Amino acid sequence: QKEVEQNSGPLSVPEGAIASLNCTYSDRGSQSFFWYRQYSGKSPELIMFIYSNGDKEDGRFTAQLNKASQYVSLLIRDSQPSDSATYLCAGYIIQGAQKLVFGQGTRLTINP
Amino acid sequence: DTEVTQTPKHLVMGMTNKKSLKCEQHMGHRAMYWYKQKAKKPPELMFVYSYEKLSINESVPSRFSPECPNSSLLNLHLHALQPEDSALYLCASSQVRSYTDTQYFGPGTRLTVL
Repeated sequence: QKEVEQNSGPLSVPEGAIASLNCTYSDRGSQSFFWYRQYSGKSPELIMFIYSNGDKEDGRFTAQLNKASQYVSLLIRDSQPSDSATYLCAGYIIQGAQKLVFGQGTRLTINP
Repeated sequence: DTEVTQTPKHLVMGMTNKKSLKCEQHMGHRAMYWYKQKAKKPPELMFVYSYEKLSINESVPSRFSPECPNSSLLNLHLHALQPEDSALYLCASSQVRSYTDTQYFGPGTRLTVL
């Protein structure tokens, strides 16, 4: 089982709708999670991070963490064509070599 | 300012060449990272430096040699690479090496090995 898993998509959402991206993790000791957005040919750009159970909102973005279910999600409200990108979920594994581990990424397309 | 710079943007090299990738940050970060990313795959960690000391080497072949000359600079020396080493090489930095610290990525160097 991979340490961080995402549905690779592609996920297609109409403009103005809510895009929901999901991620599960296997290491119960993981303390923090990061969502990065990556446009084709570019480097990952941080969207949000979350450490605590519950929701964290920043503009159109909401990150959700449920440590009991080992589940992380990112909601994008009022989706725009410019949100079309690959979204990478990353968890910080604190057991052994402490490091950031990325999921496979979900390719999101927003249709005008 | 959360800028990490990388040079060169693109690099084409033969299997017998020696080249170096350079990464720089002026945010006072004390942890720096090298990642390798192949097309349609997530970044894979290669090396981690913490306070200028190598903390993690993810069993990377010796044809990749990292160097951290000071707290702002990170180099990756390349020698006798293989075509399968062609990828986007990403540098990142964070305040320290901690689960609470965000890693900020540079724009990457697109490497092609002929």
